[in-house]
Amino acid sequence: ETGVTQSPTHLIKTRGQQVTLRCSSQSGHNTVSWYQQALGQGPQFIFQYYREEENGRGNFPPRFSGLQFPNYSSELNVNALELDDSALYLCASSRPDGTGTTEAFFGQGTRLTVV
Amino acid sequence: AQSVTQLGSHVSVSEGALVLLRCNYSSSVPPYLFWYVQYPNQGLQLLLKYTTGATLVKGINGFEAEFKKSETSFHLTKPSAHMSDAAEYFCAVSGGETSYDKVIFGPGTSLSVIP
Repeated sequence: ETGVTQSPTHLIKTRGQQVTLRCSSQSGHNTVSWYQQALGQGPQFIFQYYREEENGRGNFPPRFSGLQFPNYSSELNVNALELDDSALYLCASSRPDGTGTTEAFFGQGTRLTVV
Repeated sequence: AQSVTQLGSHVSVSEGALVLLRCNYSSSVPPYLFWYVQYPNQGLQLLLKYTTGATLVKGINGFEAEFKKSETSFHLTKPSAHMSDAAEYFCAVSGGETSYDKVIFGPGTSLSVIP
């Protein structure tokens, strides 16, 4: 059973550019959530995708968008990058089991630096 | 809204001393509870979790935590600190008032171990 994998591990972008981060969910998981962890803070929920549809969103602007593919992998896209977008971006996958008691498993993250 | 608080953003202990990191949550329904550790420039590693059953949970690296419903607490302890324990620790919840696969993190506690 493979775990959650994210790519790339590190990325440097210029302010105003666009970036795409990728996540492969754990085998058998159909739900992917994305989190932003700014330096010195706890991770903050960005949004979640379930069966290719957005299923909940945190307090992030529309320039943060996502996709989920039929194989349940996911992308996080950020447009018009700002310096404050520099952070560790974490992906977590899960598989709701109907009882609502499943848990999320995290990848190692992508470190994005905006200069 | 469900939330997590961690008392003390920085905790220092001597090598060999007791480690106690405090976590309280706010939820009208007992959630799942987690402790994660994060070493510099790395992702999150799950230390331990409470879902149901025994309220004293043992994790990796000699850590344990006790769920106390009456106090809405999930404090993390280790009898004897090691230099390698120096890291950032995050308490987190899922479920309770929200879905189980959406994780809410506390702000983190940075643990320093003094030789």
